[in-house]
Amino acid sequence: AQSVTQLGSHVSVSEGALVLLRCNYSSSVPPYLFWYVQYPNQGLQLLLKYTTGATLVKGINGFEAEFKKSETSFHLTKPSAHMSDAAEYFCAVRPEAGGYNKLIFGAGTRLAVHP
Amino acid sequence: DTGVSQDPRHKITKRGQNVTFRCDPISEHNRLYWYRQTLGQGPEFLTYFQNEAQLEKSRLLSDRFSAERPKGSFSTLEIQRTEQGDSAMYLCASSPRGETQYFGPGTRLLVL
Repeated sequence: AQSVTQLGSHVSVSEGALVLLRCNYSSSVPPYLFWYVQYPNQGLQLLLKYTTGATLVKGINGFEAEFKKSETSFHLTKPSAHMSDAAEYFCAVRPEAGGYNKLIFGAGTRLAVHP
Repeated sequence: DTGVSQDPRHKITKRGQNVTFRCDPISEHNRLYWYRQTLGQGPEFLTYFQNEAQLEKSRLLSDRFSAERPKGSFSTLEIQRTEQGDSAMYLCASSPRGETQYFGPGTRLLVL
């Protein structure tokens, strides 16, 4: 069964510091991978996705993620945190084969950015 | 493109009452999904429609839950005889081909 593990339920960084949010997945087939962001009392907004091709994926708001098959990881990074990045971040996997495209989400990482 | 909309945004009900939520997907998206998100957790898949056909249901969807998408456009999710454990955010998403899902703002349910 596919699963997603996000290491660290809470991450706190200073404004301007590097953001690193970790995501590891388990899947028996090459998956599609996604990062979504959720602001308080709102739905999920897609940050970026990996389907095929280039393993370094760039998303919105300066975020990027690298698919590493050997490490079954898809960590999210941003070189310089901004106060507006404070939100909850979810990594999700969609197995390429079957499952009618449902997404399997990790438990989320809440990012705090302090001055 | 108006995005996925959900109504109501908030619902407070008493245990044992029935509630119904509505989701309007992005027009021309033939795939529609319902997820449930409890506090401190990621969304969990509930059910999936392709056009009007309900093609997959999670084991989370007990007999008290029913979802419909009668004309392949909007969808409703009904919970009968609500329980306190049903308190959660109910999220709807739509997709044109199944690759990227676009989420609505959610309906937050509180069962007293």
